[in-house]
Amino acid sequence: AQKVTQAQTEISVVEKEDVTLDCVYETRDTTYYLFWYKQPPSGELVFLIRRNSFDEQNEISGRYSWNFQKSTSSFNFTITASQVVDSAVYFCALSEPWGDMRFGAGTRLTVKP
Amino acid sequence: SQTIHQWPATLVQPVGSPLSLECTVEGTSNPNLYWYRQAAGRGLQLLFYSVGIGQISSEVPQNLSASRPQDRQFILSSKKLLLSDSGFYLCAWSDITGVEQYFGPGTRLTVT
Repeated sequence: AQKVTQAQTEISVVEKEDVTLDCVYETRDTTYYLFWYKQPPSGELVFLIRRNSFDEQNEISGRYSWNFQKSTSSFNFTITASQVVDSAVYFCALSEPWGDMRFGAGTRLTVKP
Repeated sequence: SQTIHQWPATLVQPVGSPLSLECTVEGTSNPNLYWYRQAAGRGLQLLFYSVGIGQISSEVPQNLSASRPQDRQFILSSKKLLLSDSGFYLCAWSDITGVEQYFGPGTRLTVT
């Protein structure tokens, strides 16, 4: 069965600090997809990234970077030089073709000025 | 391009009153449709999903129900709301594979 674990419930950092949000997943399928979503105070889920199980290449997008490691079943998300606008709840999710999307419990990130 | 709408955006209802939340998708055909609930400070819980008109699967037994009267319309209902029904309700759609879901803006429901 699919499972996504975000062990960090809340993280608080000071602006300009780097922060890493952890995500560990479980699946029996060899084909699967991993996602990160951002949920700002407005509530809408904002898509950040999707990776498929065959592509372990790490990705960088501006201040955001993602580290996908199949050996440890992890898909961690790092924000470099955090800003107050990064304050939000971040969800990691896993889906399989023809299956459901499972979300982690979310990590609430607070960036203080 | 595809868009997904939800209304109302916010709703305050007394305990015991009925509920009807609507979700519509534009720009795609035969989508899979999903209802999620997020209680305050909690993660997302899948409530219902539908792969076609009249086809509803329930993930969690509760006093809520869902219906899909049209291909791109998904309705979440309750005959009598409970305090525990308060939360943020998100509708989502995906293509037939269900690999990636696209979320609506959500409805914030407060039951008083």
